[in-house]
Amino acid sequence: QVQLVQSGAEVKKPGASVKVSCKTSGYIFSTYGLAWVRQAPGQGLEWLGLVSAYNGDTNYAQKFQDRVTMTTDTSTTTAHMELRSLRSDDTAVYYCARTWVDWPFDNWGQGTMVTVSS
Amino acid sequence: DIQMTQSPSTLYASVGDRVTITCRASQSINNWLAWYQQKPGKAPKLLIYKASILQSGVPSRFSGSGSETEFTLTISSLQPGDFSTYYCQQYISYPHTFGQGTKLESK
Repeated sequence: QVQLVQSGAEVKKPGASVKVSCKTSGYIFSTYGLAWVRQAPGQGLEWLGLVSAYNGDTNYAQKFQDRVTMTTDTSTTTAHMELRSLRSDDTAVYYCARTWVDWPFDNWGQGTMVTVSS
Repeated sequence: DIQMTQSPSTLYASVGDRVTITCRASQSINNWLAWYQQKPGKAPKLLIYKASILQSGVPSRFSGSGSETEFTLTISSLQPGDFSTYYCQQYISYPHTFGQGTKLESK
């Protein structure tokens, strides 16, 4: 069965960077993309962007364009999301989700809590 | 960016009720709309995609309809496990924006 397992919780100081990983299994990695979504405490879902596991192409939300990098590693079927210059309002649960063109988010990781605090 | 607006923000209902949640898009998205259910502390779960196609394993009491800019999610007979937050999402153009969510609470 399809599984997405994310890395553990992180605590970072303002200005630092965080890298969250998403290990996938149960499907052909290169035939889908991975999207990243975050949810601040008590808030709704926010789309950060996505990366193709086929060729590494990315599409980022304009709001995060300058601070985010999404990559994939086909040898380990893992996706990574790095967010730089962290601020307190980046405190959120970050999710990865399987997707692709004209396809919804059909499988999700369990979420990674990122806390930004001095 | 396409804006997605859900109504109501909170819906109070009882077990056995028929409930409907509405999602409106700021421009036509054809039928590229998904609905998700999220329980506290859990990742969202895909219920419906392409506006009306039920994801495998989702109970048939859930249904979706609509096209262009107006969509609905209906639960025909509410069950105890359905009290959750529901989100719509468009995936026709980037960014794939979500609605703000509808929290379904017990009356």
